Amino acid sequence: QQPVQSPQAVILREGEDAVINCSSSKALYSVHWYRQKHGEAPVFLMILLKGGEQMRHEKISASFNEKKQQSSLYLTASQLSYSGTYFCGTAPNQAGTALIFGKGTTLSVSS
Amino acid sequence: NAGVTQTPKFQVLKTGQSMTLQCAQDMNHEYMSWYRQDPGMGLRLIHYSVGAGITDQGEVPNGYNVSRSTTEDFPLRLLSAAPSQTSVYFCASREYRSGEAFFGQGTRLTVV
Repeated sequence: QQPVQSPQAVILREGEDAVINCSSSKALYSVHWYRQKHGEAPVFLMILLKGGEQMRHEKISASFNEKKQQSSLYLTASQLSYSGTYFCGTAPNQAGTALIFGKGTTLSVSS
Repeated sequence: NAGVTQTPKFQVLKTGQSMTLQCAQDMNHEYMSWYRQDPGMGLRLIHYSVGAGITDQGEVPNGYNVSRSTTEDFPLRLLSAAPSQTSVYFCASREYRSGEAFFGQGTRLTVV
């Protein structure tokens, strides 16, 4: 079952902040975040494992609350290069054998 | 280091034709997966493999077959193409459990 991402789309000016949420109805062992630019393949941002550890990638950070089966991606002081579609992928078993992705959140950053 | 290589990049098929999408990785990753991407639907898992000789179905497996005879290769077969299989297909490989997934550049398939 696909995780649910919200919002579906975000429009920002450079320097503004955004939060993208990912939730699942099933227990999660890890959450994976990817960004895809138009016409390109998805690119890895970060992985969050059980334990609520917060990860960072440049000015992008994320949290994982396994009790609530939710993860959030925080984009701080957005840059033009942040534009793209963000996907969360969830691993529903401890072995993480397959990633199930949400439908994505499209982020548009303008100057 | 080539990463994940998919061929072909573009393909047009007629309804009922069969074909194989190729995927090869040179990173010695155990896990490999096939996804299809359609507008508004995100990346949907078709089939995946956790090692040579081991495959399993994902979210949308109907109409597709896979095999994994080597660690490096994970081909996706369309048995009898249908217009509903028009999509962009991505192959991905990653390390066990917590590894970063590396995606191929995709195959844009059109079935007419």
